[in-house]
Amino acid sequence: DTAVSQTPKYLVTQMGNDKSIKCEQNLGHDTMYWYKQDSKKFLKIMFSYNNKELIINETVPNRFSPKSPDKAHLNLHINSLELGDSAVYFCASSYNQNEQFFGPGTRLTVL
Amino acid sequence: GNSVTQMEGPVTLSEEAFLTINCTYTATGYPSLFWYVQYPGEGLQLLLKATKADDKGSNKGFEATYRKETTSFHLEKGSVQVSDSAVYFCALSDGTGFQKLVFGTGTRLLVSP
Repeated sequence: DTAVSQTPKYLVTQMGNDKSIKCEQNLGHDTMYWYKQDSKKFLKIMFSYNNKELIINETVPNRFSPKSPDKAHLNLHINSLELGDSAVYFCASSYNQNEQFFGPGTRLTVL
Repeated sequence: GNSVTQMEGPVTLSEEAFLTINCTYTATGYPSLFWYVQYPGEGLQLLLKATKADDKGSNKGFEATYRKETTSFHLEKGSVQVSDSAVYFCALSDGTGFQKLVFGTGTRLLVSP
């Protein structure tokens, strides 16, 4: 299937831990994004990479570090997790400023 | 900065009722406007879009018209189905550089048989 995929789907962890979420797209897109959706369903962009280059970096704590090893992957690493990091994280991709395709989301719960 | 305001939900309707979900925006320049839908447990899917004033986006019986004079992009459907139950997000892209989407807070639609 051609799609945007994320792993894991669910992630439960303790405060202070470090965790990563992976995203892969096989759509041949050149731009990838990370969004955070809070408990009230509010959705906000965090980062965007184009051809492995960071192009959007919103006001996000520096505990969050995106990494793009190639155009098809954009991973999100989070250090020293806090309760407020609990949310659903969505990856998305697009080609040449066109429609964004979203992954199924990763529900992160910090205890 | 750019922003999108949606009506608060949930919107509760009976099957075959008429649907309107209001969306207004604030933006500089000429944004593109979008409606995304999120079904339970899934990611967002693009429902429809409009890229300039007076454009009408339509898909699956849903429609929205880009109204520059009222800075609005209201979503409508003539006859909703139970399967339309989802959260609907209005969004804009400021059209400068790469597509940075700004989302509204989402409106949950519940359709009962």
